[in-house]
Amino acid sequence: NAGVTQTPKFQVLKTGQSMTLQCAQDMNHNSMYWYRQDPGMGLRLIYYSASEGTTDKGEVPNGYNVSRLNKREFSLRLESAAPSQTSVYFCATTGGVHQPQHFGDGTRLSIL
Amino acid sequence: AQSVTQLDSQVPVFEEAPVELRCNYSSSVSVYLFWYVQYPNQGLQLLLKYLSGSTLVESINGFEAEFNKSQTSFHLRKPSVHISDTAEYFCALPGMDSSYKLIFGSGTRLLVRP
Repeated sequence: NAGVTQTPKFQVLKTGQSMTLQCAQDMNHNSMYWYRQDPGMGLRLIYYSASEGTTDKGEVPNGYNVSRLNKREFSLRLESAAPSQTSVYFCATTGGVHQPQHFGDGTRLSIL
Repeated sequence: AQSVTQLDSQVPVFEEAPVELRCNYSSSVSVYLFWYVQYPNQGLQLLLKYLSGSTLVESINGFEAEFNKSQTSFHLRKPSVHISDTAEYFCALPGMDSSYKLIFGSGTRLLVRP
């Protein structure tokens, strides 16, 4: 089925560890996004990529890096995890402003 | 600046009762609005969207929302809810820049009780 695939689905890290969250889409869209979801705060944009080879900061980029590996894949890296980064992370993609964003099922990340 | 406000963090309602989830927005440009639904342990799914034209938009599962420019609102309604409608609902607005990012409200958890 066409869509957005995120791996892993769950992860527990210790403070200071590093990790990469993977995202792949098979919808042939140019734009991809990483959001984090925290209770009572909706979804906040961490980074986005308007096209292959470009990335830009969103609302809450501190502590994260991203790589747009190709048109399909957009990864999010935590270099030194902190408890404040405990959250649910969603990857999304869209074909344009008039089109809906399609979301993966999320990665639930806990940092102890 | 653009923003989306969802006034209720949680709405409890009995099965088969009507429900309204409120959304107000702030934007100085042409407005497109979306409602997304998130079932437990899943990602967000588009429920309905307002792009232009008729101010009343409907989803396939009985929800509807009305775009009201004068009140800057896009409230979501359903005349009779089911247990299966229990989920979190997000109102969202596309950002003004070329990123096509979405600006989300804080979400409303709809809890349908038998």
